[in-house]
Amino acid sequence: KAGVTQTPRYLIKTRGQQVTLSCSPISGHRSVSWYQQTPGQGLQFLFEYFSETQRNKGNFPGRFSGRQFSNSRSEMNVSTLELGDSALYLCASSLGLAGGTSTDTQYFGPGTRLTVL
Amino acid sequence: AQSVAQPEDQVNVAEGNPLTVKCTYSVSGNPYLFWYVQYPNRGLQFLLKYITGDNLVKGSYGFEAEFNKSQTSFHLKKPSALVSDSALYFCAVRDREAAGNKLTFGGGTRVLVKP
Repeated sequence: KAGVTQTPRYLIKTRGQQVTLSCSPISGHRSVSWYQQTPGQGLQFLFEYFSETQRNKGNFPGRFSGRQFSNSRSEMNVSTLELGDSALYLCASSLGLAGGTSTDTQYFGPGTRLTVL
Repeated sequence: AQSVAQPEDQVNVAEGNPLTVKCTYSVSGNPYLFWYVQYPNRGLQFLLKYITGDNLVKGSYGFEAEFNKSQTSFHLKKPSALVSDSALYFCAVRDREAAGNKLTFGGGTRVLVKP
């Protein structure tokens, strides 16, 4: 079974531009989460989608948004890019919405490395 | 709120020696605990998780971790380290009583295994 795929793998943008990153979860997985990884802040949770609905959100400004499609594929968008948005953006998928008694494991994609100049 | 601490930025160990990577956590409820490993220019690879039951959890590539509720710890161990184990290791926690899939990660521990 194919793993989580993310496109593109590398992206270079300039300040003020916007960017869209894509994530295809493992077949059959319905929950997709996004994380930002930077040397200074480490791994931080952005948001989680399940059944095309955002179910959970981290502490990021409104410039960061996402969506999920009916086939569970997800996209995240960052508008008005800032230098500090340079990071590795990781997508993770799991079988279903976890919480409470669910024991789902999140499986991560290779990430998209975004560089903002 | 939930948090994870990995007190060591780097761990150096000789090949063939035991490897331990430390992790302590804090959650308001009961925890689900995870270990992931990251190789250069790659995403996170799942190693093992603690859900409930036996405090000693066995995972991939010979790794194991012990859940200690009284010390709120979940240390990762491997009896005999390999050079190929050199990587960045992350401990993560999820509050069992919290809705959603949000994982909170520690800062990571870089493991260097020397031949």
